Amino acid sequence: AQSVAQPEDQVNVAEGNPLTVKCTYSVSGNPYLFWYVQYPNRGLQFLLKYITGDNLVKGSYGFEAEFNKSQTSFHLKKPSALVSDSALYFCAVRDMINSGNTPLVFGKGTRLSVIA
Amino acid sequence: SAVISQKPSRDICQRGTSLTIQCQVDSQVTMMFWYRQQPGQSLTLIATANQGSEATYESGFVIDKFPISRPNLTFSTLTVSNMSPEDSSIYLCSVNPGDGNYGYTFGSGTRLTVV
Repeated sequence: AQSVAQPEDQVNVAEGNPLTVKCTYSVSGNPYLFWYVQYPNRGLQFLLKYITGDNLVKGSYGFEAEFNKSQTSFHLKKPSALVSDSALYFCAVRDMINSGNTPLVFGKGTRLSVIA
Repeated sequence: SAVISQKPSRDICQRGTSLTIQCQVDSQVTMMFWYRQQPGQSLTLIATANQGSEATYESGFVIDKFPISRPNLTFSTLTVSNMSPEDSSIYLCSVNPGDGNYGYTFGSGTRLTVV
């Protein structure tokens, strides 16, 4: 069975500082990994995905994530945080074996608070 | 990527009543996924809906409580039946349009409050 762990419920960072939101995963085969962001009273917005290739994936709004197969991790990072980055972040996974007709499995979410 | 129109965006309902949520996709997709997001929580999969067959429900969710229709490849509805305050959540639909980008698209969500 697939699963995702986001070990931090809340991450606080000062504006301008680098941020990291942690994610580890478990799948039976190779993973497809995703990060989504949810702003208050808004739907889920896609940030980035890892399918194959370079371990460092660049996405929207200056975010990036590094795939580490040995540590089964896919941490989300940004070099310089903005107050507007404050939101709820979800990591999600799907294994590569099954087709796109299978749903994503989500972590519990991490609330990011960027303080001015 | 696909665009999903989800309605209603929010509703306040009396306990014991039912609410039907609609999702319309701008392209044909094989599967549609329905999720529930309880306040401050993650997304939990309710069911997977395939056109022309009965939806597949996850553990803890039953068809009598959450009946789903999938009349064609671009549309689906989820009904929350005999509602109680515990059903107050955000309900979201999702698709994988299969365009090779492996991205999953989500509707904007239905925020349901049961009083």
